[in-house]
Amino acid sequence: GAVVSQHPSRVICKSGTSVKIECRSLDFQATTMFWYRQFPKQSLMLMATSNEGSKATYEQGVEKDKFLINHASLTLSTLTVTSAHPEDSSFYICSLIQLRHRFFGPGTRLTVL
Amino acid sequence: AQTVTQSQPEMSVQEAETVTLSCTYDTSESDYYLFWYKQPPSRQMILVIRQEAYKQQNATENRFSVNFQKAAKSFSLKISDSQLGDAAMYFCASQTGANNLFFGTGTRLTVIP
Repeated sequence: GAVVSQHPSRVICKSGTSVKIECRSLDFQATTMFWYRQFPKQSLMLMATSNEGSKATYEQGVEKDKFLINHASLTLSTLTVTSAHPEDSSFYICSLIQLRHRFFGPGTRLTVL
Repeated sequence: AQTVTQSQPEMSVQEAETVTLSCTYDTSESDYYLFWYKQPPSRQMILVIRQEAYKQQNATENRFSVNFQKAAKSFSLKISDSQLGDAAMYFCASQTGANNLFFGTGTRLTVIP
């Protein structure tokens, strides 16, 4: 069965609004989760590393004030895209590691009109 | 810095035949892992095969095997007896430490019936 879930699977929003994406670990506690972004026909790019109970670590070029990450519990990390713009339209994937194995969520397709 | 290069944007193979997907990487680390992931149209990332850099023996998983040439920093994936369900995007990836997973740009594999 699924190890990682994401909600919603797809979302369409208007430019300027904020969108929250949830990533849940279903079977175990995850102190660290990873957020990736995948533009059409491109590879996955790591955006940030989400740490439970502390601030996320962002990759170079990723605006922390625009992509807010909250990892408030050991089973949930959220990514909020604030003041979304059409260029933020992408496929967002979360990932976590358990017992040295990496699991990926099914992804969330964000479309900003 | 880590880089992963997949020089074949697209490949095709006849059903039941064998195909090899190329990947080269560059890392300054001595301890690292290499992966091949499959991303079907559903966009769910699926681990195909994993190789620890310290192991000389090439990893094998059923019809999937790798040719790991450490000195040449090459990590190709061979798919034997190709099946229609193998059609997908394939990403080569490298990981150092506990977290950092870097992906190549992907190879789209088409399986011809």
